[in-house]
Amino acid sequence: QVQLQESGPGLVKPSQTLSLTCSVSGDSISSGRYYWSWIRQPAGKGLEWIGRFYSSGGTNYSPSLESRVTISVDTSKNQFALNLTSVTAADTAVYYCAREGRGGTLWWHFDLWGRGTLVTVSS
Amino acid sequence: IQMTQSPSPLSASVGDRVRITCRASESVRSSLNWYQHKPGKAPKLLIYSATTLQDGVPSRFSGSGSGTDFTLSITDLHPEDSATYYCQQSYNTPRTFGQGTKVEI
Repeated sequence: QVQLQESGPGLVKPSQTLSLTCSVSGDSISSGRYYWSWIRQPAGKGLEWIGRFYSSGGTNYSPSLESRVTISVDTSKNQFALNLTSVTAADTAVYYCAREGRGGTLWWHFDLWGRGTLVTVSS
Repeated sequence: IQMTQSPSPLSASVGDRVRITCRASESVRSSLNWYQHKPGKAPKLLIYSATTLQDGVPSRFSGSGSGTDFTLSITDLHPEDSATYYCQQSYNTPRTFGQGTKVEI
């Protein structure tokens, strides 16, 4: 059974860097069959895609966050990480990691999600 | 690509049939997915590629549409269907979601 689990500090000070890790069990993030993404949900708002990496080493980021975001991978630990710099209160949100696959179809979809972790930006 | 859902919120009764619509700002062909999200839980994939039911999802959920206009239908509404529903396009990046439709039962 494949599972994703987010971890990291629940409180980050303004202007500092938010760092989260997603640990994947039951599947290899190097398999090449999936994209691995970060998605967030500010309180009372909808879901926002942050970015993704794929096993060939490439990344894609949301244009609204691209200047502050880095997604990296540690294949030895089967983990991928999110770094978001210069955070403000607007970055307070529940952060999810998610797997995106095609399930034999032409199009991609987020078929597996972590339970999410709340990160609050406050001094 | 901007995704716009309606209505929001949606109030219905047990046993009702409800429809949630999603409109894309440009054609996404059939690359449209639907998720159910309950507070404190991970979002759950219901429908992918506009019409395909994810394994384990009850058949009272169905999806239709292509291009720019899509619909999620729930027949015989159950109490446990109370949740927020999101559409999402995977035609290109950045991936984008609708603003969500809260279904109140």
